[in-house]
This record gives sequence, C-alpha cells and structure tokens, in this order.
Amino acid sequence: KQEVTQIPAALSVPEGENLVLNCSFTDSAIYNLQWFRQDPGKGLTSLLLIQSSQREQTSGRLNASLDKSSGRSTLYIAASQPGDSATYLCAAQGGKLIFGQGTELSVKP
Amino acid sequence: DAGVIQSPRHEVTEMGQEVTLRCKPISGHNSLFWYRQTMMRGLELLIYFNNNVPIDDSGMPEDRFSAKMPNASFSTLKIQPSEPRDSAVYFCASSFSGEGTQYFGPGTRLLVL
Repeated sequence: KQEVTQIPAALSVPEGENLVLNCSFTDSAIYNLQWFRQDPGKGLTSLLLIQSSQREQTSGRLNASLDKSSGRSTLYIAASQPGDSATYLCAAQGGKLIFGQGTELSVKP
Repeated sequence: DAGVIQSPRHEVTEMGQEVTLRCKPISGHNSLFWYRQTMMRGLELLIYFNNNVPIDDSGMPEDRFSAKMPNASFSTLKIQPSEPRDSAVYFCASSFSGEGTQYFGPGTRLLVL
C-alpha cells in the first residue's frame, strides 16, 4: 500500500530565501509524481507533474525532482515571495493518486 | 474554460438528511475523480470514473455513499443518510487521461449537524 510523507509539516521563511520541500513515497511503482498548491479554503492547483521516466521538471521559480529508486521527490522554490504562502501537497500516482499531508509554507515579508 | 465546476459550494444539513453534490468536469476530459479532505485523514480518493464508467470505488466509505456519471459533463455524489462524521470538504477533479494532470474544482464544504 502506497504511503506518501511530507516533511516538514510547516515551514516559515523570510522573503527571498530559496527553500526545499520534501516528499517520500513507499512504493516506487508509480506512473508519475505530482505537486499541488492549495490556498486556504480553495481547491488544489497543479504545479508540476514528473513522469516516472523523468528526473525533474521546471516551471518558473519552481523545480521538482524525482528519484524513484530512493522513493523521494523535492520541490525547490527559488527566491520565495509572500504570494508563495500556501500548503504544498505531493501525490504519487500508481493507479490512484495518493496524497501526502502537505507542507504549510509561510513566507514573511 | 471555466474549469471544474462544483455545486453547492457550502452545504449545512442535519443528520439523516440526503445530500447531493454536483460536478461538471472540464470539457474534453474523460476522467473524473471525487475526493474528500479532512484534517484527520487528509485528501482521499473516493471514486474514479473513466469515460463515465466507475473504475475504482474502493475509497467509498460505505453504502451510504453513491456516485453517478450519467454523461461526460455531469457527475453526482450522494450521501444518504448523512452523518456528522461525513463533514468534510469534497472535491471533484478531472483530467484528460487517468494518469495526467488533475484539475480540481473549488470544493463543497459539507457540515452535517
């Protein structure tokens, strides 16, 4: 049974810092790994999808990496801004999409 | 495109009442997903449709929950009878394929008193 874990549960950084969010999964038989953003009281917004055959994906200031053999993915956010404050969820798809509990990020001005 | 549309956005009901949640997926998407989000359990998949056919309903908690997708542009999730432990945010999502990027609706916040 796939289990997805995100560390840390919460993170507070000053504006401008580069930061890394971590995601680990127990079953490496996945189709893809997805990162989402959720703002309070809102739905999820897809950020990046990494296919199982890929090592990383980039979108603007975001870079996500995938290491299937170790069951890990990271989301790197460069030059963080207050508008990046949200909860970030990773999800591993091997059939169904299994979500981690999320990392709540706060970027202070 | 308007994105995934869900209604109602908020629902307050009393225990024992029937609740129906509605979802309109993005046009052209052939996969539709219903999720439930709670503080305790996080985000869980309830049921997944592909081309209007239920593929995986293993996440449906019990017989009180049922879901239908009569056509490619509409799906319902029904709870009958509702219980306080059903209180959660219910999300609908759609994707072009079962393994592609999923696009989420704004959710329905359900409170069962």
